[in-house]
Amino acid sequence: GQQVMQIPQYQHVQEGEDFTTYCNSSTTLSNIQWYKQRPGGHPVFLIQLVKSGEVKKQKRLTFQFGEAKKNSSLHITATQTTDVGTYFCAGRNAGNMLTFGGGTRLMVKP
Amino acid sequence: GAGVSQSPRYKVAKRGQDVALRCDPISGHVSLFWYQQALGQGPEFLTYFQNEAQLDKSGLPSDRFFAERPEGSVSTLKIQRTQQEDSAVYLCASSLDGLQGNEQFFGPGTRLTVL
Repeated sequence: GQQVMQIPQYQHVQEGEDFTTYCNSSTTLSNIQWYKQRPGGHPVFLIQLVKSGEVKKQKRLTFQFGEAKKNSSLHITATQTTDVGTYFCAGRNAGNMLTFGGGTRLMVKP
Repeated sequence: GAGVSQSPRYKVAKRGQDVALRCDPISGHVSLFWYQQALGQGPEFLTYFQNEAQLDKSGLPSDRFFAERPEGSVSTLKIQRTQQEDSAVYLCASSLDGLQGNEQFFGPGTRLTVL
């Protein structure tokens, strides 16, 4: 079945440093979504990417979808303590089912 | 309320007990999803409803797991004869319709602990 892998599993950064998490799917995706889960919370939708090579920005967050639609990345510029949490990518194939990656847990030292 | 609600928020069960977890999706949302999230891992798909129809139950780990959404709104996930490996957070999510691409709104989850 479809597998979605994320690296790294954990990332410690100093506040103000940049952060990137990478997502790779074993199959070509129709679209990919990104979610953020704060400690003790539930996943909250951030964005969806649909087109090959698509790049979207949300303030300090930049999301990319690979040309082959099998990988994606999330880059945060100048991290803040409010960015703390686990970032999940979730890939969708032809059906309506989302396959979540294992997540990257971001910790920010003030 | 405006969001997805789940009850109970916490459930402790003795091994072998049956449990029922409830999800109230956002009003008017057609699609409803159940996920299982183990500690430190991503949500794993269990099953999906479009209105009252269960369109995909491929993620249910065994026949001890059963889900229903009889009137196309509230859903219940039932686990029979609970085992320790069933301990996890069970997340419910809803989305506006069945089309691909709609964001999923997650509830707070039910943390199930099986002793």
